[in-house]
Amino acid sequence: DADVTQTPRNRITKTGKRIMLECSQTKGHDRMYWYRQDPGLGLRLIYYSFDVKDINKGEISDGYSVSRQAQAKFSLSLESAIPNQTALYFCATSPRTGGEGYTFGSGTRLTVV
Amino acid sequence: GEDVEQSLFLSVREGDSSVINCTYTDSSSTYLYWYKQEPGAGLQLLTYIFSNMDMKQDQRLTVLLNKKDKHLSLRIADTQTGDSAIYFCAPRGAGSYQLTFGKGTKLSVIP
Repeated sequence: DADVTQTPRNRITKTGKRIMLECSQTKGHDRMYWYRQDPGLGLRLIYYSFDVKDINKGEISDGYSVSRQAQAKFSLSLESAIPNQTALYFCATSPRTGGEGYTFGSGTRLTVV
Repeated sequence: GEDVEQSLFLSVREGDSSVINCTYTDSSSTYLYWYKQEPGAGLQLLTYIFSNMDMKQDQRLTVLLNKKDKHLSLRIADTQTGDSAIYFCAPRGAGSYQLTFGKGTKLSVIP
């Protein structure tokens, strides 16, 4: 099994629908992150969580919400999806200390029509 | 906050060396990472260098760090078609432990 698992891998949804992307990890890391990737824009941070009770907005949090259900689970919701939220979404984890860096999931490709 | 700049594209011939460059603004960055993203996949950690080092070599990969100029480079020797991917530079801030990602350099290897 992958260290960081994202579900679903692909999703097509309609404008106005609520959708949830899920992320689970077996790394035992405290910190979890949600990014979106758009061509030419690189990775942009949506939300991050340093532990279950510590959730913070990233640079592009408008239109998104998150829930940290447990140390191992961090979900991202789009309350009312719009077409410009079509993107590749990545979950990542990192330890609290040390030089290990981030471990990424394989991504969720979301299309809003 | 930290700014990280990379060229968007690089094209090299198979067997040549590739050099991907990155500049950053936070002089207190502690670890500096390189990630590789193959088509349709997530980002994988390729290598990293600690800020008290000038160079790190790992098989075909060489990382050079110039702290004075805040410049990081990744050299891939004997570049292969399997090296075709997007490469991201990501320094880590001293206090926050968060990574800031560049926009990525798309490396195309010509057979």
